[in-house]
Amino acid sequence: DAGVIQSPRHEVTEMGQEVTLRCKPISGHNSLFWYRQTMMRGLELLIYFNNNVPIDDSGMPEDRFSAKMPNASFSTLKIQPSEPRDSAVYFCASARTGELFFGEGSRLTVL
Amino acid sequence: SQKIEQNSEALNIQEGKTATLTCNYTNYSPAYLQWYRQDPGRGPVFLLLIRENEKEKRKERLKVTFDTTLKQSLFHITASQPADSATYLCACITSGTYKYIFGTGTRLKVLA
Repeated sequence: DAGVIQSPRHEVTEMGQEVTLRCKPISGHNSLFWYRQTMMRGLELLIYFNNNVPIDDSGMPEDRFSAKMPNASFSTLKIQPSEPRDSAVYFCASARTGELFFGEGSRLTVL
Repeated sequence: SQKIEQNSEALNIQEGKTATLTCNYTNYSPAYLQWYRQDPGRGPVFLLLIRENEKEKRKERLKVTFDTTLKQSLFHITASQPADSATYLCACITSGTYKYIFGTGTRLKVLA
């Protein structure tokens, strides 16, 4: 299996622009997680899905952030409009039971 | 509020020694706890899981303990090697949820 696949790996955008991050989980995994990692705050859970249904989005910082999982093999995290403080590495992870499998992350820089 | 704390200062040790990393949690009752390794520019990779009714778990040179009275987990790497240099993260999982909450991680550097 190719593992969790995230795109883009790097994104540089200007404040106010819309950003869409994409994730393909490992086939057969029924849970999907979006995390954000910064030096100051570490790895923060934004939202997680179980069987494509959002279970807990209490970590989503503001209404500017939204996440969808239209099917078992695809999820998106959207930021609209983006702000400089959104600059971070965004990780997607999937799980069947127990351990999380992380993608390589999407490094977002908002100028 | 719920908090998971790891030593934010980097830990430097000599090759061959045992590295011990700490994970403390407050206002939390995790059903189980996991440890991950993260290399620069990469996503975290799972290492070990320990349940609340287990005191200790081992895997090769790795050992994890879980003390629910002290609200603490210790992660040991014996006979450390420079290749063990990385950031190590602990994660707490509450029973009945899939909510994996991570500590901020401790950077370990093993000196040759």
